[in-house]
Amino acid sequence: AQKVTQAQTEISVVEKEDVTLDCVYETRDTTYYLFWYKQPPSGELVFLIRRNSFDEQNEISGRYSWNFQKSTSSFNFTITASQVVDSAVYFCALSLAQGGSEKLVFGKGTKLTVNP
Amino acid sequence: DADVTQTPRNRITKTGKRIMLECSQTKGHDRMYWYRQDPGLGLRLIYYSFDVKDINKGEISDGYSVSRQAQAKFSLSLESAIPNQTALYFCATSDPYSGRIHNEQFFGPGTRLTVL
Repeated sequence: AQKVTQAQTEISVVEKEDVTLDCVYETRDTTYYLFWYKQPPSGELVFLIRRNSFDEQNEISGRYSWNFQKSTSSFNFTITASQVVDSAVYFCALSLAQGGSEKLVFGKGTKLTVNP
Repeated sequence: DADVTQTPRNRITKTGKRIMLECSQTKGHDRMYWYRQDPGLGLRLIYYSFDVKDINKGEISDGYSVSRQAQAKFSLSLESAIPNQTALYFCATSDPYSGRIHNEQFFGPGTRLTVL
């Protein structure tokens, strides 16, 4: 079965702290894709990143970075020097390459609160 | 202008009523999806459609039906609403023809449904 676990339900930090959101996935497939989405208080879902299972390079985009490790089935997300605007619920998701399917299996989300 | 729109944005209804949630997109994507989000549970797939003639059940389709009226429109119906269908509903689209499979899904703003 495919599953995504975000063990951290809620995280609270003070502005400028670094914070890492954990994501652990389960799948027997060798080809799969991992995503992170952000859901700010306004409610919309914002795409952040997609990573395929054959690309284990870490990625950095501004203050955001992602660490993909197949050995531990993890795809963790780090925000450096957090800001109040980073406050949101963050979802990790898994998509499988089955018959062209692009269904996403979401984790339950991590609510990040960045306090001034 | 929003690429993926959902109507209504908020709806309160009573148990037993039939209700339809509508989704329209101007992105020209063939693939459309309906998810529901419950607090602490993340997003779960209800139905998905890869084109007008293709409808598929997702993880939690019981109590729901869908209609793909055109490439741009995908409606979700609750034939007889019940209180545990109170949730935030999202429509999403994706494009498998941009040269990359497993493209990100683009989400609408969501419909908050309350069943009393």
